[in-house]
Amino acid sequence: AQSVTQLDSQVPVFEEAPVELRCNYSSSVSVYLFWYVQYPNQGLQLLLKYLSGSTLVKGINGFEAEFNKSQTSFHLRKPSVHISDTAEYFCAGISGGYNKLIFGAGTRLAVHP
Amino acid sequence: DTGVSQDPRHKITKRGQNVTFRCDPISEHNRLYWYRQTLGQGPEFLTYFQNEAQLEKSRLLSDRFSAERPKGSFSTLEIQRTEQGDSAMYLCASSLGDTSYNEQFFGPGTRLTVL
Repeated sequence: AQSVTQLDSQVPVFEEAPVELRCNYSSSVSVYLFWYVQYPNQGLQLLLKYLSGSTLVKGINGFEAEFNKSQTSFHLRKPSVHISDTAEYFCAGISGGYNKLIFGAGTRLAVHP
Repeated sequence: DTGVSQDPRHKITKRGQNVTFRCDPISEHNRLYWYRQTLGQGPEFLTYFQNEAQLEKSRLLSDRFSAERPKGSFSTLEIQRTEQGDSAMYLCASSLGDTSYNEQFFGPGTRLTVL
C-alpha cells in the first residue's frame, strides 16, 4: 500500500530542547518527500522538501530532515524549539501521477515553557 | 496578497443541504488540487485539475461531490445532500508545471460542519 506513517501523534517538549518528529514511507511512495506545518485554523505551509541530492535537507524556521533510503525514513529535527513552533506537522510524499500528495496522520508538537 | 484563497472559511449547514466552496489559485498556476482533512488526520486527495480538465478523482469523491474549473482559473467544489460524515476541512492547492514536481501552495481551507 502507498503510505506515509508518522509514528507519534503527539510530542510534548520544553522550550529550547531538541525535537525529532518521525516519518516512515512505504517503498511504493516516490522519494519526493515533504514536511508541512499547519498552525491552528490555517492552511499548510511547506517546511522543507527532498527531491534528490544531499540527504540532509534544511528548511525554514531552523528545521532540517534527513532522508534515509535504507530505513525508508524522513525524520524532522530541530535543535532548539520555541513556543511558536507549537503546531501540527505533516509528512507527505508523492503518490501516483499528477504529483498528488499523500500525507501522514500528523504529529502535534506542543512546546511548553 | 497573491496566495491561494478559499471562500467561505467556515460553513455550517444542515444535513441534506447542498453547499459550494470556491478556490482561487495563484494566478497562472495551471494545476489545482482539492484535499479533505478530517479531525486528527492528514489531508486526503480528492481531485486534480490541469487547466480546465479534471484528470483524476479519488474514490473518496462520491457521486454527491462535483468539482469544476470552467475557465482554468478558479474552481468550485459542490457537495449535494450533505451528510454528517462530510464534516471536514476542505483544502485547495495550486502549482505551476506540467511534468516535473512543483511545490503545491495551499489555501487556508473551508471548514464544513454538517449538523
